[in-house]
This record gives sequence, C-alpha cells and structure tokens, in this order.
Amino acid sequence: EPEVTQTPSHQVTQMGQEVILRCVPISNHLYFYWYRQILGQKVEFLVSFYNNEISEKSEIFDDQFSVERPDGSNFTLKIRSTKLEDSAMYFCASRSLRTDTQYFGPGTRLTVL
Amino acid sequence: KNEVEQSPQNLTAQEGEFITINCSYSVGISALHWLQQHPGGGIVSLFMLSSGKKKHGRLIATINIQEKHSSLHITASHPRDSAVYICAVSPAGEKLTFGTGTRLTIIP
Repeated sequence: EPEVTQTPSHQVTQMGQEVILRCVPISNHLYFYWYRQILGQKVEFLVSFYNNEISEKSEIFDDQFSVERPDGSNFTLKIRSTKLEDSAMYFCASRSLRTDTQYFGPGTRLTVL
Repeated sequence: KNEVEQSPQNLTAQEGEFITINCSYSVGISALHWLQQHPGGGIVSLFMLSSGKKKHGRLIATINIQEKHSSLHITASHPRDSAVYICAVSPAGEKLTFGTGTRLTIIP
C-alpha cells in the first residue's frame, strides 16, 4: 500500500541553524500539508500546498518557515533559523483530489538545542 | 475558529470492554476525522465522516451533524488498541483542526 515517507526520523540541531525536513507524499496526491506537535500538546496545522503554491498557512508559519516541492516528488519544510520552541514532531500529510482523507507520514522529531 | 473537545482525556479499561470516545466541535464542518497515534508518534487515519456511521472491523464511528458531535466506539477491546485517539475536523479537504486526544489503555 502506498505511504507517505519522511526523512530524517530524528533531527538534532543547534539554535539558529537551518533545517530541512523532507517528505515524499503518495505519488498521485496533489494536496500536501505540514503539521507539528509539540510534546504533550495537540497537533497543529502549519501549512497547506497545492498546485505549487501555499493555499493556507497558520500564524505559526512565519517568515522563518518555507515549503517547496523541488522535483515533483519531494515536499520540504525549511526552518531558516531554528528556535528552542521549534522542537516538536513534524508531520507531513497528503491527499488526492477524490477524497478528504489525509494520509500522514511517520513524522520527524526535531530537537533544537 | 473551530474548537474541538474530546472526552475523556484518559481512559483505562479491561480487555474485552466496549469503549466510547466522544468529540464535540463548535463550528459547522465538512468532514470529521478519527486518527490513531501510536506510542512512537506515528498517526494513522481511521475514519473520515461527513454523516451517519462507518464501521471497520471492531471500530465504529458515528457523527451527528446537528449536534456537532461524534463518537468512536471500539468493541471487544484488546491491549493492541492502546493508543491516543484524536478527533480532527475540517472544512472540505482543508486543514485539520485537532482535538487534544484521548489516551486509551487496555489492560489484559
């Protein structure tokens, strides 16, 4: 069964460093999402992406964040200058045109020191 | 802004018991999702509902659009059902707004 994959599974970085989290959505899906979950808190929406542009973003998704679909298969989330409070589990999700069901990747645990 | 409330926050039950987890939301939606989060953190989509009832194996999900309420039931619960169950709502196909989750523990 097709699945969403994410790399790396765990990333440790120093405050102020740039990180890129990678996702490979299911191949025929056209809508892509990033969510995050700070430890012990609920999952929060970051950004949605369709037709090579951001369709919606939350107030969390400030100028430090960007998303890109560089090559038609990967979907990346970049954090330019990480802060301690960016430490969280980041989930990528994708869905097709035909359904509202979103399929989640296994997540990347980001730890900012 | 849609608020999503789940109850209970924590639930411990004996193997074999019938489990009910509730979800209420504040604003009209297009779809409600039930998700399962494993101890390792991964999220699996269980159901997407816009009306009525769906059944998959021992899991049943219902939604009452007028009352803005959904329930997830697990029949003949098993220790492998232990996980966090999350309710999330969305306008049509758009971003999900998540509840805080219900941590379910099934004791053998």
